[in-house]
Amino acid sequence: GDSVTQTEGPVTVSESESLIINCTYSATSIAYPNLFWYVRYPGEGLQLLLKVITAGQKGSSRGFEATYNKETTSFHLQKASVQESDSAVYYCALGDSGGSNYKLTFGKGTLLTVTP
Amino acid sequence: EAAVTQSPRSKVAVTGGKVTLSCHQTNNHDYMYWYRQDTGHGLRLIHYSYVADSTEKGDIPDGYKASRPSQENFSLILELASLSQTAVYFCASKQGANYAEQFFGPGTRLTVL
Repeated sequence: GDSVTQTEGPVTVSESESLIINCTYSATSIAYPNLFWYVRYPGEGLQLLLKVITAGQKGSSRGFEATYNKETTSFHLQKASVQESDSAVYYCALGDSGGSNYKLTFGKGTLLTVTP
Repeated sequence: EAAVTQSPRSKVAVTGGKVTLSCHQTNNHDYMYWYRQDTGHGLRLIHYSYVADSTEKGDIPDGYKASRPSQENFSLILELASLSQTAVYFCASKQGANYAEQFFGPGTRLTVL
């Protein structure tokens, strides 16, 4: 079936250091895989951080980037220099814009703590 | 203005009691979803709906019912709440079958004692 595997947390990074959260996916029942990173800040709901719907393309937002790599079935999240305000739980998710699969499939989430 | 709202934001319920979680969306979206999130798990789909007056089972529907009385409103009902249903519940909406992105509400933290 469809699945998403991402870096097990928690992850602790010092402010201004670089970050990578790995995400790989399996899209066996999805006609047109779309990939997402959602973020959940403390006390808040899920917000869309970035999305990519075309293989080979890169999405970016708030200094974060992720490239949809169909060959390696990966969608790793990267940031060159993190800030304390980036502390949150990050979820990689897989969806289908072809209409054959109605839901998002989520990874377990990665808790990121950025220390000053 | 928030497009997907949930009420209540937090609730404490007793085992065996009935709990209703409500969701309202102003996105004019066809699809609505209920997920639960537990520590160590990703979001898991409980029920969803793609049209008013119709609901579908998701991956973990046992112990839950859903109701979609209008396009804007989608409720999750726990007829007999159990300890194992303590979790954070998220509602989401999606434009249509050919769109993958979902828009989430702020979540409801449910504690069953």
